[in-house]
Amino acid sequence: DVKVTQSSRYLVKRTGEKVFLECVQDMDHENMFWYRQDPGLGLRLIYFSYDVKMKEKGDIPEGYSVSREKKERFSLILESASTNQTSMYLCASGEKGEKLFFGSGTQLSVL
Amino acid sequence: AQSVTQPDIHITVSEGASLELRCNYSYGATPYLFWYVQSPGQGLQLLLKYFSGDTLVQGIKGFEAEFKRSQSSFNLRKPSVHWSDAAEYFCAVGAKTGNTPLVFGKGTRLSVIA
Repeated sequence: DVKVTQSSRYLVKRTGEKVFLECVQDMDHENMFWYRQDPGLGLRLIYFSYDVKMKEKGDIPEGYSVSREKKERFSLILESASTNQTSMYLCASGEKGEKLFFGSGTQLSVL
Repeated sequence: AQSVTQPDIHITVSEGASLELRCNYSYGATPYLFWYVQSPGQGLQLLLKYFSGDTLVQGIKGFEAEFKRSQSSFNLRKPSVHWSDAAEYFCAVGAKTGNTPLVFGKGTRLSVIA
């Protein structure tokens, strides 16, 4: 069974902390994505990657960075967490033009 | 640029009633179209997709959707709703060429009452 695994289901962090959200896929997909989901706003794309060591900004990259050192792993980094980054974070992977496979999400609370 | 509009934020239907969730897209060429469902506390699961060919596509859990190019719509339907269908539903549009990521609508929350 195909899997996209996000390392944490729930995270609580303090303002100013550096936060790492990890995502691993086992389908050898080229493409990986990070979205955040907020009530009434749907899914908004933060960053995506089409290859190892490659990244592209999405619609809301401010305050975030990413790392893709290996094909199967795509990390989202909050350099200095702020309360407005409290959200559900969803990782996804897929091939070009094909459907996306989603992880179960990480609910991040920044206090 | 691609965009997706789901006009209904929240819909409530009775169990056993029919359902239609609306989706309108904006895209310059023929798009790829998707419907995803998200149960509470879960990630998104693909219900169905349209790439080309027959404009009426069948998906999992008894759902279907019809691509209407003239109306730029891809509405999701189910003839008889079950209580377990209560969830959030997202329409998404993608490009057939290039590496443009999917663009999602804001979602429609479905409540099912007895």
